[in-house]
Amino acid sequence: GAVVSQHPSWVICKSGTSVKIECRSLDFQATTMFWYRQFPKQSLMLMATSNEGSKATYEQGVEKDKFLINHASLTLSTLTVTSAHPEDSSFYICSAVDRGFGEQYFGPGTRLTVT
Amino acid sequence: DQQVKQNSPSLSVQEGRISILNCDYTNSMFDYFLWYKKYPAEGPTFLISISSIKDKNEDGRFTVFLNKSAKHLSLHIVPSQPGDSAVYFCAAGLFSLGYQKVTFGTGTKLQVIP
Repeated sequence: GAVVSQHPSWVICKSGTSVKIECRSLDFQATTMFWYRQFPKQSLMLMATSNEGSKATYEQGVEKDKFLINHASLTLSTLTVTSAHPEDSSFYICSAVDRGFGEQYFGPGTRLTVT
Repeated sequence: DQQVKQNSPSLSVQEGRISILNCDYTNSMFDYFLWYKKYPAEGPTFLISISSIKDKNEDGRFTVFLNKSAKHLSLHIVPSQPGDSAVYFCAAGLFSLGYQKVTFGTGTKLQVIP
């Protein structure tokens, strides 16, 4: 089946630094990737939609200057949390849509802890 | 505004019995519905889906029922197994727009007791 990877799986950083999270579709091409955020015991909240070769579309309330998304190729999207603060600590999950079949596949997630 | 709701945060079922997970939605424009299973610290795994033109879809032990007039869907797992213990999310989307953006419910934690 289709596989989506995320790197790193967990990261601890100091307040004020930036962190980059990679999302890769390993065996298919993804024209669209989504970035979600999940707080403990809460639902997955869609942050933004990333389309290859164009600017990301952010959901209401998500700061695009803080959460920079780059979809550089059909297999890679990156989320950069800039000037991270403790309130950015969360579980970030990406998903990728298989161009051929339209299915959405999820990555394993990245646990970000900002100290 | 929570457009997709799962009102039961948790559910316990005996092994071998039926598990019924419920989901309600408010946006009548949704035309595609999905169920995902999620373990802690992992991404969701797709289970089963249903389009709004159907009222039932079955895949092995999993069956999803859709009641459009009530804006309600449910996932039935029969028979339930201990390995089914996880958090289950329902999701709804507007696939008729050729767009796979989905809205997730709040999740129901299922515990299957051996």
